[in-house]
Amino acid sequence: AQSVTQPDARVTVSEGASLQLRCKYSYFGTPYLFWYVQYPRQGLQLLLKYYPGDPVVQGVNGFEAEFSKSNSSFHLRKASVHWSDWAVYFCAVSMDNYAQGLTFGLGTRVSVFP
Amino acid sequence: NAGVIQTPRHKVTGKGQEATLWCEPISGHSAVFWYRQTIVQGLEFLTYFRNQAPIDDSGMPKERFSAQMPNQSHSTLKIQSTQPQDSAVYLCASSLDPGGARDTQYFGPGTRLLVL
Repeated sequence: AQSVTQPDARVTVSEGASLQLRCKYSYFGTPYLFWYVQYPRQGLQLLLKYYPGDPVVQGVNGFEAEFSKSNSSFHLRKASVHWSDWAVYFCAVSMDNYAQGLTFGLGTRVSVFP
Repeated sequence: NAGVIQTPRHKVTGKGQEATLWCEPISGHSAVFWYRQTIVQGLEFLTYFRNQAPIDDSGMPKERFSAQMPNQSHSTLKIQSTQPQDSAVYLCASSLDPGGARDTQYFGPGTRLLVL
């Protein structure tokens, strides 16, 4: 069965600084990978998604992620964090080619300070 | 586009009572998913419908939980004899094309269930 690990439960960053959130997946096959964000008191929103192709994926609000098959990773990055990026970020994986329930990591809570 | 609609947003039940949660997927979407979110377990997949047919309920607790999709415009998750450990946020999501894992799942705001 597939699994997702987000090793950092909490990250604190200063506004304007860069951000990297780590995601490791475990799956023997072709993964489809997603990053979702959950803002306070809101539902999950998709930031970006990866399916086989270019390993660097561009998302909304300046986010990007890079897939590495050798490292089984899908890390999320942002060059300059804004206070509105204060949220919980979830990495998720789906497998093969058919629609199914996503397997999520436990999330990383990002706090942004001036 | 109103997005995925979930009602009620908050529900408080007493132990042993029944709770029914409603989900209206985005119009035209063929797949509907249910998830449960808790602090301890995180986001867990419960069940999934494609064109109203149940496809995968591997995440559903074997007792007391059931889900239905009687028409393309709504799905329900029913919990019988609710227990305190059922307290969670229940999320519904829908996707456009059920044929591909790459399709984006759009999530509703969730129903926060509290069992006293």
